[in-house]
Amino acid sequence: EPEVTQTPSHQVTQMGQEVILRCVPISNHLYFYWYRQILGQKVEFLVSFYNNEISEKSEIFDDQFSVERPDGSNFTLKIRSTKLEDSAMYFCASGRAESYSSPLHFGNGTRLTVT
Amino acid sequence: AQKITQTQPGMFVQEKEAVTLDCTYDTSDPSYGLFWYKQPSSGEMIFLIYQGSYDQQNATEGRYSLNFQKARKSANLVISASQLGDSAMYFCAMRGLAQGAGKSTFGDGTTLTVKP
Repeated sequence: EPEVTQTPSHQVTQMGQEVILRCVPISNHLYFYWYRQILGQKVEFLVSFYNNEISEKSEIFDDQFSVERPDGSNFTLKIRSTKLEDSAMYFCASGRAESYSSPLHFGNGTRLTVT
Repeated sequence: AQKITQTQPGMFVQEKEAVTLDCTYDTSDPSYGLFWYKQPSSGEMIFLIYQGSYDQQNATEGRYSLNFQKARKSANLVISASQLGDSAMYFCAMRGLAQGAGKSTFGDGTTLTVKP
């Protein structure tokens, strides 16, 4: 069964450094998302992406965050200058349709630790 | 705005017994979907089951079923014949047409522990 893959599984970085989290969505999916989960807390929406554009973003997704689909397969989340509070599990997800009936398919996540 | 409430931070169940995980939701959107995801200790998010707001019948997927009571705005997950591998965090989530179907709203989750 096709799946969403994320790399790396764990990233440790120092405060102020830039990080890029990588995702390969399911190949026939058109809609891509990033969510984050601070340890022990709920899963929060960050951004949705379609047709090479951001279609929706949350208030969390400020100027420090950016997303890109640099080629036909990868989808990346960049945090320009990491803060301690960016420490979280980051999930990439993809879907075939932006429909309320379409489930999201999540990757295994990247655990980001900012020290 | 949409809101999902999961009132059970933790639940215990004996192996082979059934368990119900509660989920209530709030939305003014007439068109929405409700989802349950499983998150094992390894961290990945696994889609389990979906219920649409216009579905007349409760959704079922193997040992998972959804007790959907639209008037009460509840969408409880029932796991039958619990197995040790069911021990995980379970999240209820919602997507709505009016809000922007791209965005899912998640509850706080329920940690299920299956006892041998």
